Amino acid sequence: GQQVMQIPQYQHVQEGEDFTTYCNSSTTLSNIQWYKQRPGGHPVFLIQLVKSGEVKKQKRLTFQFGEAKKNSSLHITATQTTDVGTYFCAGRESNAGNMLTFGGGTRLMVKP
Amino acid sequence: DVKVTQSSRYLVKRTGEKVFLECVQDMDHENMFWYRQDPGLGLRLIYFSYDVKMKEKGDIPEGYSVSREKKERFSLILESASTNQTSMYLCASSLGRTHYEQYFGPGTRLTVT
Repeated sequence: GQQVMQIPQYQHVQEGEDFTTYCNSSTTLSNIQWYKQRPGGHPVFLIQLVKSGEVKKQKRLTFQFGEAKKNSSLHITATQTTDVGTYFCAGRESNAGNMLTFGGGTRLMVKP
Repeated sequence: DVKVTQSSRYLVKRTGEKVFLECVQDMDHENMFWYRQDPGLGLRLIYFSYDVKMKEKGDIPEGYSVSREKKERFSLILESASTNQTSMYLCASSLGRTHYEQYFGPGTRLTVT
């Protein structure tokens, strides 16, 4: 079945440094979503990417969908302590209905 | 705002007990999902439902069953709880059709002793 791998598993950064997490799917995706889970909280939807090569920005967060629609990345510029949490990508195959396959997540820790 | 609620935040059960986890959403969403979350393993899909009385197995359905008698409610049942089912259980819903983003409940931390 479909597998979604996410790296790194953990990342410690100094406040103000940049951060990137990468997501790779074993199959071509119809779309990919990103979620953020704060410590002690539940995953919250951030964004969905649909088109090949698509780039979307939300303030300091930049999301990219690869040309082959098999990989994606989330880049945070100048991290802040409020960025702390685990970031998950979730891919949907075209024949999977409404099912998503989640990556293992990247836990971001920010030192003030 | 979509609201997804789960019946308990924390639950402690004994091995062999039958356990019911309930989830309710208030936005008339078509789809509902049950995941378990374990450190390093991300979110793994147990079951999902795309309509009342309809269900499909996810990646790890063994040891679990589900029930969806009403559109807003999706129950996860552990027929005979075992210690390896100690985990965080997350319920989610999505509108369906072309709207795939999922809205999660707060989670139930289940401990089986």
